[in-house]
Amino acid sequence: SAVISQKPSRDICQRGTSLTIQCQVDSQVTMMFWYRQQPGQSLTLIATANQGSEATYESGFVIDKFPISRPNLTFSTLTVSNMSPEDSSIYLCSVEVGTSGSVQYFGPGTRLTVT
Amino acid sequence: GIQVEQSPPDLILQEGANSTLRCNFSDSVNNLQWFHQNPWGQLINLFYIPSGTKQNGRLSATTVATERYSLLYISSSQTTDSGVYFCAVVGYDYKLSFGAGTTVTVRA
Repeated sequence: SAVISQKPSRDICQRGTSLTIQCQVDSQVTMMFWYRQQPGQSLTLIATANQGSEATYESGFVIDKFPISRPNLTFSTLTVSNMSPEDSSIYLCSVEVGTSGSVQYFGPGTRLTVT
Repeated sequence: GIQVEQSPPDLILQEGANSTLRCNFSDSVNNLQWFHQNPWGQLINLFYIPSGTKQNGRLSATTVATERYSLLYISSSQTTDSGVYFCAVVGYDYKLSFGAGTTVTVRA
């Protein structure tokens, strides 16, 4: 398994500002992921964070809006840029553990409210 | 991408009751996981079960990969079982795709 922490746990931000969310894992992992969960909805994959290369973004998500860093095998950040109320969501990071039958574990999430 | 359908969307139970949640998926999968999201938003791993049957306390799960469905059983439900239960699968694109979830409310 993996123990994942995220900072901050929650924040209230003004529109037009940016917030950087940190994700720390207790062991080295190859694959880290960032998800968004809008109010009352399921989870949607934003991007896969690759160590040593640029993140791979899903359709509908762009680097200018959600820049991601992955400086090492235990840490990643997601920035939500130029925020609007529509960005109010829970943002979760996850990691994939295991070689045969990989299992994903999730961090506690960052609850973001944009006013 | 792969489609994941969960039913029922909502479930209200009296404490002590048993229930079954269903997850249908549209294609072959390499991985299937069940999660419980508690009222504070934390996503908790329940089962990794691409096929077969597993049990953990009052919870058990069965996946019939050839028929493309999985079932999660909750027995003797408790108020702490309340929350949203998600089924998620990894298909040919190696990405975890989530169903819409089943919201379970257990009343004392």
